[in-house]
Amino acid sequence: AQSVTQLGSHVSVSEGALVLLRCNYSSSVPPYLFWYVQYPNQGLQLLLKYTTGATLVKGINGFEAEFKKSETSFHLTKPSAHMSDAAEYFCAVSPWGGKLIFGQGTELSVKP
Amino acid sequence: ETGVTQTPRHLVMGMTNKKSLKCEQHLGHNAMYWYKQSAKKPLELMFVYSLEERVENNSVPSRFSPECPNSSHLFLHLHTLQPEDSALYLCASSLRLAGAEETQYFGPGTRLLVL
Repeated sequence: AQSVTQLGSHVSVSEGALVLLRCNYSSSVPPYLFWYVQYPNQGLQLLLKYTTGATLVKGINGFEAEFKKSETSFHLTKPSAHMSDAAEYFCAVSPWGGKLIFGQGTELSVKP
Repeated sequence: ETGVTQTPRHLVMGMTNKKSLKCEQHLGHNAMYWYKQSAKKPLELMFVYSLEERVENNSVPSRFSPECPNSSHLFLHLHTLQPEDSALYLCASSLRLAGAEETQYFGPGTRLLVL
């Protein structure tokens, strides 16, 4: 069965610092992987997704993620954090169309 | 209106009330979903509809009753809920159901409080 583990329910960084949010997955088939962001009082917005091809995926707002099959990881990074990046981030795996399995989420705080 | 809209945004109801949540997508998609987001728990998929037919009911109690009259609208009818049903209910849609790479687009959610 597929599952997603996000390491760290809360991450705090200073403005301008590197953002690293960790995601590990378990999947018996080649996975499709997603990162979503949820701002306060809003729904989820797609940041980026990996389906096939290049393992380094670039998304919106300067975020990117690298699919590492050997490590079963799909960590999300951004070189320089901005105050507006403060939100909750969800990693998800999709074993079949219509089913997204989410991690528990990581809340990102950005300190001035 | 663009994207996925949900009404109401906030709802407070007693355990004996009957209410409905509404979701509308303006994207021309054919698949729609209901998710439940509780504090400190992963998002839980509740129901999946494709071309107005229910294709998944993820062991959801019968006090939650979905309805999909057409591919643009999705309802979640609520009756005799319990306090533990208090959560953020999110609606999503995607162009197609088939294909694991399909992106789901989410609405802003309805924050439900059951007293």
